Amino acid sequence: DAGVIQSPRHEVTEMGQEVTLRCKPISGHDYLFWYRQTMMRGLELLIYFNNNVPIDDSGMPEDRFSAKMPNASFSTLKIQPSEPRDSAVYFCASSLQGSGAEQYFGPGTRLTVT
Amino acid sequence: TQLLEQSPQFLSIQEGENLTVYCNSSSVFSSLQWYRQEPGEGPVLLVTVVTGGEVKKLKRLTFQFGDARKDSSLHITAAQPGDTGLYLCAGAHGGGFKTIFGAGTRLFVKA
Repeated sequence: DAGVIQSPRHEVTEMGQEVTLRCKPISGHDYLFWYRQTMMRGLELLIYFNNNVPIDDSGMPEDRFSAKMPNASFSTLKIQPSEPRDSAVYFCASSLQGSGAEQYFGPGTRLTVT
Repeated sequence: TQLLEQSPQFLSIQEGENLTVYCNSSSVFSSLQWYRQEPGEGPVLLVTVVTGGEVKKLKRLTFQFGDARKDSSLHITAAQPGDTGLYLCAGAHGGGFKTIFGAGTRLFVKA
């Protein structure tokens, strides 16, 4: 298995632009997680899905952030409009089960908003 | 708010030295995990502990879960440059699906 796939690996955009991050989880995993990592705040859970349904989005910072999972093999995280404080590394992870199960992380997308 | 505090935040040591990093919380967890993250990559699971007082060994790494399941430690014997990375602990509660991550300990092992 190729593992969790994320694209793009790097994204540089100007403030106000729309940004879309993409994730393909490991086949057969029922849970998908989106995290944001910064030096100041560490690894923060933004939202997670179970069987394509959003379960907890309490970590989504603002209405500018939205996430979708149209099918079991694809998810997107969208930021519109983007701001410089959104600059971070965004990780997608998937797991077979929920709480306490091993999460398999993708390589991350490094987002820079200028 | 459930928090996992990790200490130290940063550790720089010479190859061959031993070290211990800690993960503490006021909350009880049903399980606790340790991940290692290398630059430019996502975290990778090292171990999961579920029983209070449990000790697990992975080569030169020894993991312990506190008796009350509120804290954990990671001990590395004879550290090597390949151990360099960010060590994250993550706690989970039974019945809930949100895993809480600590801020991490950044370890640098000099050759």
